[in-house]
Amino acid sequence: DVKVTQSSRYLVKRTGEKVFLECVQDMDHENMFWYRQDPGLGLRLIYFSYDVKMKEKGDIPEGYSVSREKKERFSLILESASTNQTSMYLCASSPAVDTQYFGPGTRLTVL
Amino acid sequence: GESVGLHLPTLSVQEGDNSIINCAYSNSASDYFIWYKQESGKGPQFIIDIRSNMDKRQGQRVTVLLNKTVKHLSLQIAATQPGDSAVYFCAEFSGGSNYKLTFGKGTLLTVNP
Repeated sequence: DVKVTQSSRYLVKRTGEKVFLECVQDMDHENMFWYRQDPGLGLRLIYFSYDVKMKEKGDIPEGYSVSREKKERFSLILESASTNQTSMYLCASSPAVDTQYFGPGTRLTVL
Repeated sequence: GESVGLHLPTLSVQEGDNSIINCAYSNSASDYFIWYKQESGKGPQFIIDIRSNMDKRQGQRVTVLLNKTVKHLSLQIAATQPGDSAVYFCAEFSGGSNYKLTFGKGTLLTVNP
């Protein structure tokens, strides 16, 4: 089975802090994705990566950056957290560009 | 722009009944569709997928139907169980260099014992 893990299930940070969300997959997938999920808005793509050191902006990249130094790990970085970044963050990986397998999510609260 | 949507935001059924969750899509170029199940506090879980060259695909207790004429997708769950209670949402993929799935907002399925 595909396994995607995220470093934290729940996270509370203060406005202005730098936040790191880590995602690891164990299936040697090429593609990895970061989404945020908000009530009424569904899943929105922040960034994705189709190879090591490669990254592409999704629909809402502002306020975020990513890092993919190793194939199995994709990190989402909030350079200076703000309250409007309070959300559920979901990581996914995919062997191709279609079927995506999700991690359990990180619920981030920014105070 | 293109969108994926759901006809019903909530669905309540009795345990043992069959459930049907619907999804409308607007991108006629979409060639691949997925249904996900998301339980409270968890990440979305892949249930079943279907390619546009098919109109029906069956899994264990689940069936996905694709009607390309009216751009409609449905998920049928047989003998619904309390463990099926979750948000279900569809996603579409249109190929090319998009690298993106477009997700629907979701339907909340509640199974009453």
